[in-house]
Order: sequence, then C-alpha cells, then structure tokens
Amino acid sequence: GAGVSQSPSNKVTEKGKDVELRCDPISGHTALYWYRQSLGQGLEFLIYFQGNSAPDKSGLPSDRFSAERTGGSVSTLTIQRTQQEDSAVYLCAIWATPQGLSSGGGYGYTFGSGTRLTVV
Amino acid sequence: AQRVTQPEKLLSVFKGAPVELKCNYSYSGSPELFWYVQYSRQRLQLLLRHISRESIKGFTADLNKGETSFHLKKPFAQEEDSAMYYCALITGGFKTIFGAGTRLFVKA
Repeated sequence: GAGVSQSPSNKVTEKGKDVELRCDPISGHTALYWYRQSLGQGLEFLIYFQGNSAPDKSGLPSDRFSAERTGGSVSTLTIQRTQQEDSAVYLCAIWATPQGLSSGGGYGYTFGSGTRLTVV
Repeated sequence: AQRVTQPEKLLSVFKGAPVELKCNYSYSGSPELFWYVQYSRQRLQLLLRHISRESIKGFTADLNKGETSFHLKKPFAQEEDSAMYYCALITGGFKTIFGAGTRLFVKA
C-alpha cells in the first residue's frame, strides 16, 4: 500500500441518502486531510485533523458535511441528505515523506486513491 | 487573497518538444510551492517541491518571486508524461491551495 487506504472506491447513491466515506492511514501520522476533487475545479480543501481534533473545518461546504477521526487513525467523512452537487472524488491525504521520489527528499501530501461519489 | 492559477486547462505537445505548464500564485507570505501529478488510473502524487530544488522525471520548476510564478518545465516531453498536473501552495502552515489543474497530452 501507499500509506492511505480509502473505501469504498466508488459509491453511487440516491439524492437525499446519507453516505459515509472512510480513510485509513498508515500509523504514525497525526495530520490528516480531506479534499474534494471536482472536474475542472481542482482540489477543494474540506477539513484537517491534528490527531483526533479538527482545528480547521472551514472548508466543509455545508452543515450536511461532517467528519471525525478516532484513535488518531481512521477518519470518516459523512455527507447527509446528499445532493447532486456533492458528486465528486473525495480524497484523503496525510503529510508524509512520499514514496517513490527519486531524490528521496522532501515532505508533501501522500494521497489515497479516493472515493468517487455519484449522487443520482 | 491566496490563490493559485493554472491558466491552461489542456496543453498538447508532440513527443520530444519542450513543455511548460504555467502556475502563478498570490500570497503575501513566504510561499512554499509544489507540483502534484495524477497519471491515468493512479492516485495523485507529489512530483516536486520548490524548496528541494530537485529534478524529477526530467521536470524542474523555479520559483520566481518577482513574477509570482512556479512554472513546470521539461525540455523533451515523453508520452508517459501525459497526465493531470496540479500546482499547489502551502498557506498557514497546514492548508494547501491547489490550482485547477492542467491536463498535459503528449502526442506521438
């Protein structure tokens, strides 16, 4: 694995239903981030965790969105009463030394493979 | 306002041609900039960061504070460079602002 696992990889849900997206990072990383990737919109910051606390929730689009983290590890992003505009790829990331850099240097985000959410 | 602008949504070049993906930023503090890349069916991954002054896969990027730019360059594009590229700026110590991305298509 590359350090961050996300599930499910794909989720299709009906408008109005609640969904739960899971992020399971490799142990030892206190900082965890959620981003949303929409076509043509780049990556939108949603929320940041330091341990189990979320010092910055400013990116959550509405009160239908919430997130929690337990044990300084697994994080769950919940979207209630989903709307079609919630359709996007939801990415989880940790701040770590990425694998595979030829120089071996530098810290940056290590991303999960994302959950593609489609609200129909 | 803190902002990252990638003016090109799509950039198409021929194999062997030079390529430059543009990135401009707006930030009042000392910037820390990155390029991330997402190849087809792969996860988003770090390509390089300006502070390391490194060359990865033949790509380099120089921070130009006067022009507030951090353009990504490669002298000879390869087909395997075809991907989505995101420029990113760290603000406030923990939050990163991403550009909208540029899709690079390298033609044979």
